[in-house]
Amino acid sequence: EPEVTQTPSHQVTQMGQEVILRCVPISNHLYFYWYRQILGQKVEFLVSFYNNEISEKSEIFDDQFSVERPDGSNFTLKIRSTKLEDSAMYFCASSGSGTGGRVGNQPQHFGDGTRLSIL
Amino acid sequence: QQQVKQSPQSLIVQKGGISIINCAYENTAFDYFPWYQQFPGKGPALLIAIRPDVSEKKEGRFTISFNKSAKQFSLHIMDSQPGDSATYFCAPMSAGTYKYIFGTGTRLKVLA
Repeated sequence: EPEVTQTPSHQVTQMGQEVILRCVPISNHLYFYWYRQILGQKVEFLVSFYNNEISEKSEIFDDQFSVERPDGSNFTLKIRSTKLEDSAMYFCASSGSGTGGRVGNQPQHFGDGTRLSIL
Repeated sequence: QQQVKQSPQSLIVQKGGISIINCAYENTAFDYFPWYQQFPGKGPALLIAIRPDVSEKKEGRFTISFNKSAKQFSLHIMDSQPGDSATYFCAPMSAGTYKYIFGTGTRLKVLA
């Protein structure tokens, strides 16, 4: 079964540094997402991406965050100047298009996450 | 209005027993109601989902019951097995949006 892959599995970064988290979505999927899960807390939506632009973002996704699809297979999340509170597990997900153009009800497939530790 | 409340926070069930996890929501715009299963070190994986036009859906040992008027849906795991030990999240979504609103999670432990 095709799956979403994320690299690295664990990233340790000094506060203030830039970090890029990488994801390879399922190949025929068109919609891409990032979520994060702070240790012991619920999973929170960050951003969705379609047709090379952000389609929706949460209040967490401020100017320090950006997403990009640099080629036909990768999807990245960049955090420009990391803070201690950015420490979390970051999950990438992807989904296909829905019937009749409705994408919202298509299941999202999640990768196993990148654990980001900010020192 | 986006709040999703999940209960219980943790659950211990004997092998062969029934596990029941509940999810209550406020947003009447939600129209897709999935349950995700997460094992330690892994990402959430879709377990079962329901649309609001039906009140129940069963897939193997897993059943979703949906009560639209009460704004609640629940996951029932019949004949619970030690391999079902995981964290379960409800994650409803509104049509026209792209984001799941995850519940706080229920840690299920099935004793052998």
